[in-house]
Amino acid sequence: AQKVTQAQTEISVVEKEDVTLDCVYETRDTTYYLFWYKQPPSGELVFLIRRNSFDEQNEISGRYSWNFQKSTSSFNFTITASQVVDSAVYFCALSALQNDASGSRLTFGEGTQLTVNP
Amino acid sequence: DAGITQSPRHKVTETGTPVTLRCHQTENHRYMYWYRQDPGHGLRLIHYSYGVKDTDKGEVSDGYSVSRSKTEDFLLTLESATSSQTSVYFCAISENRWPGNTIYFGEGSWLTVV
Repeated sequence: AQKVTQAQTEISVVEKEDVTLDCVYETRDTTYYLFWYKQPPSGELVFLIRRNSFDEQNEISGRYSWNFQKSTSSFNFTITASQVVDSAVYFCALSALQNDASGSRLTFGEGTQLTVNP
Repeated sequence: DAGITQSPRHKVTETGTPVTLRCHQTENHRYMYWYRQDPGHGLRLIHYSYGVKDTDKGEVSDGYSVSRSKTEDFLLTLESATSSQTSVYFCAISENRWPGNTIYFGEGSWLTVV
């Protein structure tokens, strides 16, 4: 069975602070993919990033960076110099090929509500 | 943006009434999913479809049924709505069964059962 845990339910920071969102996962599969999605107050789910289990290189995209460590089963997300527009719920998710017909399905964490105050 | 349209976007219904949510995609993707989002649970899979007339249950399928008569449409039906089915429902699509595919989501349907 797969499981994703986001232990931080809510985080509140002041604009320009750096913030890290934690994600810990469990899976028995050797091939899997990890995702981060953003859900702004408008409610839609926006894809941010995907990493596969064989690529532990950190990734940076503008103010966003992701740290993937298989040794600790973690895929943490850091926002540098946070802005008010970063306020959203962030979901970490895991996908692996299933033995049934579902193909791949996403297992989500509970989400972290990030509030960036001006 | 992936072409996914959910309808209705918002609905209030009474306990015991049937409700159908529709997901329409223009991407011709084979796989379609229905998830529900609840506080403290993230998103959980209700049902999925891997082709026309091919559907199966997810982890929280009790009280729900689905149908897919065309590639582009995936319907979720609550046969007799209950208050516990008050939730936000998301449709998602995926091109094939590869787990590395990006799964795109619709904008969500807010359902309140009173």
